[in-house]
Amino acid sequence: EVELVESGGGLVQPGGALRLSCTASGFTFSSYAMSWVRQAPGKGLEWISIIIGSGSSRDHADSVKGRFTISRDNSKNTLFLQMNSLRAEDTAIYYCAKSHHYYTPGSYFDSWGQGTPVTVSS
Amino acid sequence: EIVLTQSPGTLSLSPGERATLSCRASQTVSSSYLAWYQHRPGQAPRLLIYATSSRATGIPDRFSGSGSGTDFILTISRVEPEDFAVYYCQHYVGSPWTFGQGTKVEVK
Repeated sequence: EVELVESGGGLVQPGGALRLSCTASGFTFSSYAMSWVRQAPGKGLEWISIIIGSGSSRDHADSVKGRFTISRDNSKNTLFLQMNSLRAEDTAIYYCAKSHHYYTPGSYFDSWGQGTPVTVSS
Repeated sequence: EIVLTQSPGTLSLSPGERATLSCRASQTVSSSYLAWYQHRPGQAPRLLIYATSSRATGIPDRFSGSGSGTDFILTISRVEPEDFAVYYCQHYVGSPWTFGQGTKVEVK
């Protein structure tokens, strides 16, 4: 059974940094693209980052480009999101999601974690 | 960027009733690249439908999807108590992946 467990969320001041992790089990991690999706309070789902199975290609939404970086360690079955220059509008629950195949175009998200909350406030 | 607009914003139904949720795209989306997700409060989102009409593993057959071009529909034939949740459509043509704003199915 696929399991995705996010961690690393918390309270951070504007301008600060945070690193989220997502530990995966139940599937061959390196064979699938992975994403981060967030949900701000009272809002809908927003895709923010995706990375292919090998980690050699990645993409980010314009809202986080230049501030957030997605990466992965396939030896540890772990996905990361490095978040720098955080803003109040980055406050959200952050979910990691597994794509249904290795590459990114044409990928839907077939498994999701429970999410980790991030609050950006002074 | 493909903008997805869902309607209605809220659907108030009694258990056993039929639910029809709409998703309209700002440009043509191949039917191969449209998905639906269910999101209950405090839980992980769950994939219901991919490629417009294919049910994900373990999804009951009361859930069905249809549509083409710019107009897509998620139907719940008879709403069960566990179906009260928010539903999102999503395209996965490529970057940026976008979701609709969601339709909340609530108890009438």
